[in-house]
Amino acid sequence: DAGVIQSPRHEVTEMGQEVTLRCKPISGHDYLFWYRQTMMRGLELLIYFNNNVPIDDSGMPEDRFSAKMPNASFSTLKIQPSEPRDSAVYFCASRSTGQGAGNEQFFGPGTRLTVL
Amino acid sequence: EDQVTQSPEALRLQEGESSSLNCSYTVSGLRGLFWYRQDPGKGPEFLFTLYSAGEEKEKERLKATLTKKESFLHITAPKPEDSATYLCAVQAQGAQKLVFGQGTRLTINP
Repeated sequence: DAGVIQSPRHEVTEMGQEVTLRCKPISGHDYLFWYRQTMMRGLELLIYFNNNVPIDDSGMPEDRFSAKMPNASFSTLKIQPSEPRDSAVYFCASRSTGQGAGNEQFFGPGTRLTVL
Repeated sequence: EDQVTQSPEALRLQEGESSSLNCSYTVSGLRGLFWYRQDPGKGPEFLFTLYSAGEEKEKERLKATLTKKESFLHITAPKPEDSATYLCAVQAQGAQKLVFGQGTRLTINP
């Protein structure tokens, strides 16, 4: 059973460039979460979707960040333009509210973003 | 505002030396408290969910307990492969988001 899939695993870009991170949640999961992890701030929630609809984007740091979920099996997090302070590891997580499911979220392997 | 504080920040033990990690929390009505393990370069891996004070869960050498203010992750006779960062998170009633602590970096020396 495949877990959450993220791509790319590593991204190095220059300041001002557009960056797109991709996520495929676990099949059948109806919630999708985007997190950012840094040494200073730990794991922070950026935005989450329920049934492909954005529910809470209060954690998105600036208008430079946007996220979409065009269907149940794909989501993107875009940063345009990127800045050095965006350098972090970005995680996607999903969870199910189906019968018998707990409240736990399942995380992908992350995308390590470096903005030079 | 919901908050999670983990202690210690780092812990170094000898193989077989049991200890406990602490997670103190404040939340507006607890829906669940979660423990995750994170290895370097990987995403957090789910370990346990605790829902109410007095609840305990076990998995191999790990046991998680919960009170109204804190949770403990007890590690009994740890092995080097237990070395990782352990993260604690809370979910408030009516919320979907998890609020994470900063983690405890555990190192088990052979």
